[in-house]
Amino acid sequence: NAGVTQTPKFQVLKTGQSMTLQCAQDMNHNSMYWYRQDPGMGLRLIYYSASEGTTDKGEVPNGYNVSRLNKREFSLRLESAAPSQTSVYFCASSGLQGYSNQPQHFGDGTRLSIL
Amino acid sequence: QKEVEQDPGPLSVPEGAIVSLNCTYSNSAFQYFMWYRQYSRKGPELLMYTYSSGNKEDGRFTAQVDKSSKYISLFIRDSQPSDSATYLCEAAGNKLTFGGGTRVLVKP
Repeated sequence: NAGVTQTPKFQVLKTGQSMTLQCAQDMNHNSMYWYRQDPGMGLRLIYYSASEGTTDKGEVPNGYNVSRLNKREFSLRLESAAPSQTSVYFCASSGLQGYSNQPQHFGDGTRLSIL
Repeated sequence: QKEVEQDPGPLSVPEGAIVSLNCTYSNSAFQYFMWYRQYSRKGPELLMYTYSSGNKEDGRFTAQVDKSSKYISLFIRDSQPSDSATYLCEAAGNKLTFGGGTRVLVKP
């Protein structure tokens, strides 16, 4: 069972470059999420999509854009990467819409370094 | 102040001991409470999921929620070295928020 698949697993960018992080889930979940995880900060929500065709900002959306391509796929784009965006990025999905009736299933993350 | 507070540890215990983990939260609208385990360089995986107050047991794991005190706990009985990981609590309701995680080390 694949669950939530994230690509790439690792990436190094230069300041100002752009990049799209890909996420796909095979559990037929409605809701999908993007987080960043930094030491001592826990998981912080960047954007989420309660259902296909909708997206909403989370706690730390600045510098990011998202696209819910279809029910399976939810991508995160950095238009002009900054060193402050060096982090580990996690995608997650859950069965019902929005915040209700968690829990979430996570991918194994994308480790992104911006020089 | 974070809406969900969690002691970062590290918490070091001998093999076979009980591991006790706690989180406090401030948002009364939180109704769903989760505990995740995260191994190094992996994504969080769900351990326990509870709704509202009460206890829930699953094998060696017990989750407790006290909404009157806004306090959630996870207990791991007969701890094993394989339990060494970071444990994250999550609270959800009108929003979802994670604690910062507690690193646990179980020594053989």
